[in-house]
Amino acid sequence: KQEVTQIPAALSVPEGENLVLNCSFTDSAIYNLQWFRQDPGKGLTSLLLIQSSQREQTSGRLNASLDKSSGRSTLYIAASQPGDSATYLCAVNNYGQNFVFGPGTRLSVLP
Amino acid sequence: SAVISQKPSRDICQRGTSLTIQCQVDSQVTMMFWYRQQPGQSLTLIATANQGSEATYESGFVIDKFPISRPNLTFSTLTVSNMSPEDSSIYLCSVETRDTPYEQYFGPGTRLTVT
Repeated sequence: KQEVTQIPAALSVPEGENLVLNCSFTDSAIYNLQWFRQDPGKGLTSLLLIQSSQREQTSGRLNASLDKSSGRSTLYIAASQPGDSATYLCAVNNYGQNFVFGPGTRLSVLP
Repeated sequence: SAVISQKPSRDICQRGTSLTIQCQVDSQVTMMFWYRQQPGQSLTLIATANQGSEATYESGFVIDKFPISRPNLTFSTLTVSNMSPEDSSIYLCSVETRDTPYEQYFGPGTRLTVT
């Protein structure tokens, strides 16, 4: 059974810092991995999708990498801004199975 | 991508009553899902809404408590029946499209409080 963990659970940084969020999964036979952002009390916004054959994806200040063999993905946020404050969730999808979500990392970027 | 709306956005309900949540998509989609997010927790899949047939429920969720309808390829409803305070959660609808299989898009969620 797939299990997804995220480290750290919470992170507080000053504005302008570069930061890394980590996602680990136990079953490496994934089809893809998706990173989401969730603002308090709101739905999820898709940030990046990485297919199992890809190593990384980039969108603006965000870069997500995937290492299937070690069961890890990282989300790199460059030059963080207060507007980046949110909870970041990763979710993995194994072949023929539903998405499994991690518990999330709660990020606060201080002005 | 897909644009998803949910109604209501939030509600406060009394114990023992039922609430039906609607999910509307702006285009035809292949898969529709319903998730629950309890306070401070991550997302848990309730069921996959199948068009024209009964929903497929995950372990721990039953049709009598969470009846689901999906009459067409753009609309689904989730009912939370005989509510208790433990049902207080955010309920989220998500979809996969034919153009982007295995990539999920989420609605804004319905915040339910049961008193």
